[in-house]
Amino acid sequence: DTEVTQTPKHLVMGMTNKKSLKCEQHMGHRAMYWYKQKAKKPPELMFVYSYEKLSINESVPSRFSPECPNSSLLNLHLHALQPEDSALYLCASREGANTEAFFGQGTRLTVV
Amino acid sequence: ILNVEQSPQSLHVQEGDSTNFTCSFPSSNFYALHWYRWETAKSPEALFVMTLNGDEKKKGRISATLNTKEGYSYLYIKGSQPEDSATYLCAFSPSGGYQKVTFGTGTKLQVIP
Repeated sequence: DTEVTQTPKHLVMGMTNKKSLKCEQHMGHRAMYWYKQKAKKPPELMFVYSYEKLSINESVPSRFSPECPNSSLLNLHLHALQPEDSALYLCASREGANTEAFFGQGTRLTVV
Repeated sequence: ILNVEQSPQSLHVQEGDSTNFTCSFPSSNFYALHWYRWETAKSPEALFVMTLNGDEKKKGRISATLNTKEGYSYLYIKGSQPEDSATYLCAFSPSGGYQKVTFGTGTKLQVIP
């Protein structure tokens, strides 16, 4: 199973809503990533978890809150987002330092 | 901020033509260079992970070279097919922070039948 599964595929939320994005992998990868991708731009790193601990936070606003409850699961909790946060949110996982990343199909988020 | 640039930004080639594009990255503090293919409505898919200067990797009609001293990598596609149409992204990992994978700006390839 080389799949990274992200849910939901699409999400529309109001600026006062609280929602969560979910990412799951069963490849035994110990590094998991959240990326944000705006149209016509490359994916931009947000967070990295390594062995279930947050190892990189790229100065992401606190309205985005990541969580890694176990080695297979990565969540991104969203609260009080702004319309400019509308983007494709991609999750990825890797086995180790010199290995490829496996990506999910992303969640298309629209903030209204 | 890590500068990872790709050129050209977009490319149209005829079916059967061979093509190549470039990724440039910081030559200091190099750890690894990744290439990904991203087709519309799909997940990015890894093509290569390269770590050694002078490395050459091949997968079918696609190959890549790496020059870490001057900070560039080339991706080559031989005999392009319509199914090669995608955005090709390179991604750079620095030493001392290999978990931090920074993507380049991408090259969008369209192969015309």
